[in-house]
Amino acid sequence: DAGVIQSPRHEVTEMGQEVTLRCKPISGHDYLFWYRQTMMRGLELLIYFNNNVPIDDSGMPEDRFSAKMPNASFSTLKIQPSEPRDSAVYFCASSLGTSGRGEQYFGPGTRLTVT
Amino acid sequence: DQQVKQNSPSLSVQEGRISILNCDYTNSMFDYFLWYKKYPAEGPTFLISISSIKDKNEDGRFTVFLNKSAKHLSLHIVPSQPGDSAVYFCAASAHSTLTFGKGTMLLVSP
Repeated sequence: DAGVIQSPRHEVTEMGQEVTLRCKPISGHDYLFWYRQTMMRGLELLIYFNNNVPIDDSGMPEDRFSAKMPNASFSTLKIQPSEPRDSAVYFCASSLGTSGRGEQYFGPGTRLTVT
Repeated sequence: DQQVKQNSPSLSVQEGRISILNCDYTNSMFDYFLWYKKYPAEGPTFLISISSIKDKNEDGRFTVFLNKSAKHLSLHIVPSQPGDSAVYFCAASAHSTLTFGKGTMLLVSP
């Protein structure tokens, strides 16, 4: 299994531009999570899906952030418009079964820099 | 307000000695705890977990201890190896999601 795949690995963009991060979870996993890692706040959960349905998006910082999961093998996290404070590493993770008990498998992350 | 706290940003240990990483939590609803390890430019990987009905779980060189009354858990690595150098995240779960600490960077020197 290739594990969780994220693209791009690095993204540099200018303030105001739209950014789309992509994730392919492990085949068969029914939970998908988007996290953001910063020095100040550590690793924080943004949103998670169960069977492609968004369950909790209370961690999404602002309306500028949106996430979709059109099918079991693909999810996107979009920031529009992007701001310098959005600079962080964004991780996607997937798991099988009960999300809070099962091991979550993380992708390598996307390092986003907004100038 | 952080519900999971790792108060030591970094820890340095010599190879062969014990590494002890600490984690405190405030939410008494947490009933499952995990440790993840993260190397640079990689995502976190699961290391070991413990349910609140236990006070100890061991897996090879790694042991996690849970003190529910103190709302404290620790990860012991014995003996420490240079390959253990990484950032270690403590995570806690109440139901369906994990809450992570900010991580502790462990450096094991030869």
